[in-house]
This record gives sequence, structure tokens and C-alpha cells, in this order.
Amino acid sequence: DIVMTQSPDSLPVSLGERATINCKSSQSVLYNSNNKNYLAWFQQKPGQPPKLLIYWASTRESGVPDRFSGSGSGTDFTLTISSLQAEDVAVYYCHQYYSTPYTFGQGTKLDIK
Amino acid sequence: EVQLVESGGGLVKPGGSLRLSCGVSGITLSIAWMNWFRQAPGKGLEWVGRIKGKPDGETTDYAAPVKGRFTISRDDSKDTLYLQMNSLKTEDTAVYYCAAEDSSNINDYWGQGTLVTVSS
Repeated sequence: DIVMTQSPDSLPVSLGERATINCKSSQSVLYNSNNKNYLAWFQQKPGQPPKLLIYWASTRESGVPDRFSGSGSGTDFTLTISSLQAEDVAVYYCHQYYSTPYTFGQGTKLDIK
Repeated sequence: EVQLVESGGGLVKPGGSLRLSCGVSGITLSIAWMNWFRQAPGKGLEWVGRIKGKPDGETTDYAAPVKGRFTISRDDSKDTLYLQMNSLKTEDTAVYYCAAEDSSNINDYWGQGTLVTVSS
């Protein structure tokens, strides 16, 4: 199984400041035949299902604000929120869809400092 | 618009059974790859299993903790996906989500979830 490890577990950030969440996979999720990283980021607010933000490690889902960006390749990935807004308070999960069993990071709880 | 609506959750005793349903609209269920995920109270997300579309053989695969106890199936005529859960354990207590996987293996549509509580 591919183990996904996020850091930090908790991240307090001031409004308007940058938030950075890291994710590391236990093996590469880069599929050589198409040169795509099978890595997604989800946002989850209390009482709601996960919402897809980023896929292919860096492609923003339609309707997601451009303050959200993803980067990285292979085994190391980052989700960046360039200027934190109050509505961004949530738990963020990285997720590999390279192979089953699909797995997720443990989550990073982002809140306002 | 794609909509997924889970139902069938509730309280069940350890060792009991429960069948969850996921009503699907906005996609053609017969060709869709569908997944079940779960989230224990206050915990992270966990993949439960997947069923491929009819053109891909409708094969299923499951996470190790549920293999042999849970079965995914669907009724295309009713546009409904199912998760049959047998021999339930207290650690199966969770909100269960169905999700639709697109051709790139991305689960981009999720239902609102249904809570299953396994307790005596």
C-alpha cells in the first residue's frame, strides 16, 4: 500500500497570509507512460463531504479559487494557499489514486491564528 | 448535474448486517467506476472498495479491513449502487460516502454520506 504522510498536522495561519501543506508518498505516484502524478488534494469542512481542489498534483478543479495551487512530483507534493481567507478553514487531505488501495494523508487542520 | 445520494445508514449490533444505497443521477451508472469511502468519527478518510463499469468487467476490489465482509454491487435499471456490509464490527462505525471515479481515476463527485453506527 502507498502510505501518504502530511505535515504539519495542524496549521494556524493569519488571514491574508500564505499557508503551505506538505505531503509525502511512500513510493512514486508518477505514472511514466503519461508523465502524470496521480495525486489530488481535497478540502473538507465539518459535516460536509470532501471537495476536490487539485488533481494531477497541480491542476485546479473548475470553480476552485486561484489562491489554491499544487506542486511537486514523484513522492513530494505541496498545497499552497497564497492568501488565507476565512472560508478556507478546513481539513485538507492529500490522496493518491495511482493504485488501489487508494490512500489519503492523515489530514492537516488549517485554522486562523 | 451529477448527484449522489446515500441512504440506509443506522444503528446495528456487532455481527449484524446493513445495506447502504447510493442513488445516482447525471452519469450513466452502467459504465461508471464507483467507489465507497468511509470516515470514522473525528478521523481521516479511508477507501472501502470499488466496482468498475460494465465495459470493464464490473470487477470489484476491496480494502483489506473489509474484504470478505463487504460487497459492492449495483442495479443499473434503478441507477443505484449498493454496499452490503456483513459481520459488522465496532470499528466499521463511520460516515460512508459513495463517489464517482472519472476516466482518469479521479473521484470528483461525492455524496453527502450516511452514518453507520455499530454498537451493542
